[in-house]
Parts: sequence; C-alpha cells; structure tokens
Amino acid sequence: GDSVTQMEGPVTLSEEAFLTINCTYTATGYPSLFWYVQYPGEGLQLLLKATKADDKGSNKGFEATYRKETTSFHLEKGSVQVSDSAVYFCALSRDNFNKFYFGSGTKLNVKP
Amino acid sequence: EAGVAQSPRYKIIEKRQSVAFWCNPISGHATLYWYQQILGQGPKLLIQFQNNGVVDDSQLPKDRFSAERLKGVDSTLKIQPAKLEDSAVYLCASIGFDEQYFGPGTRLTVT
Repeated sequence: GDSVTQMEGPVTLSEEAFLTINCTYTATGYPSLFWYVQYPGEGLQLLLKATKADDKGSNKGFEATYRKETTSFHLEKGSVQVSDSAVYFCALSRDNFNKFYFGSGTKLNVKP
Repeated sequence: EAGVAQSPRYKIIEKRQSVAFWCNPISGHATLYWYQQILGQGPKLLIQFQNNGVVDDSQLPKDRFSAERLKGVDSTLKIQPAKLEDSAVYLCASIGFDEQYFGPGTRLTVT
C-alpha cells in the first residue's frame, strides 16, 4: 500500500546552517506530495506541495522537488532560523486530495 | 475566513467509557477528514467524508469508532468503549481550493 518514510529526528542545527530532511514514498500512479509543519503549540499547516514529477514546491525559503525516479521529496532550506524549530511531516495524497498518508514526522531544533 | 473548529480541546476519560468529538469545517468545504495522531507519530486517516457520504473508512476501527456528518456540514466522531491505546490527538481537516486545513485537535487521554 501507499506509505511515506522520513528521516528520524530530532535534527539539531545551528542558526544559518543548511537543512535537509529526507522523505521517500511508495505509491502507485502519480500522487501529490506535501510538507506540513507543526510549530510548538500550534496545529498542522501546509508548508509546500508538488503535484507532478519534477515540480518544485517552495515557501518561506524551504524547497522540495518531486523526484519520481527516486520516489523522493526531500525538504531543504539554505539557512535555518531559530523560528524554524518545529516538527515537519511529509505526506502524499492520491487522486486529488483523496487518501492522505503522513510520515512519522521529523523534529527540528535550531540553536542560536 | 474562520478556521476548522473542534471541541472539546481536551478530554480525560477512563477506559471502557465513551467519548464524542465535534468538528465544524470551514464553510463551503465539502470534504472532511478525521485523523488520529498518536504521540510521536504522523496523523493517520480514520475516515473521509464528501458532503454527508463516506468516501473512505478503511482505517476506522468500526467495532468501537463511529462517525457521522448528517447534514454535510459539521461532524462527530465517537469512541465506545475507549481503550488505553486510543489516547491520541484527534484532528479534523477540510479541503478547500486545493489545500487541506486542519483544526486545533482534541487531545484524548484514556486512563
């Protein structure tokens, strides 16, 4: 069945460091891919998305490219800030928002 | 626009008791989801509604969980009887214009 696997955390970085959080997926066909973020004490928010192969989603300095050949959707940011400390979830959906599957989440801690 | 509303925000019950959660999606959103998020894990889809019809409930433990969305607007999720392993945050989400909006969740503790 469909599934999402993301790197385990926590990931601890210093401010202005480069961030990569790995995400791979298993799905038939062409799912849409998402990154959601959960800041401390807040609800889940959409960070970025990509709906077809080779699409790049971007928002708030974060980027992820839909790689069908490697079934990956890695999240990257060139220079993290303390305010980026949160839990990041990779997710996929089938058939235009039907059947969402989430990864287990990766906690990011950014130190000043 | 107002967000997805959920109540209560917190609930503590003893095992074998019953509990109900309520969700009011964003106005006009036809698709509504209920998720279970156990501590340290990602959200797991329990049930998906399109208006007042069930699209997918394949991961809903139907021996103890039930959900309804009678008028195609707000929805309730019920657990009866609750087990210790049901302790989790229950999230409601609705879909609008190509984006999924989440409510704040209900944190359930079963003792």
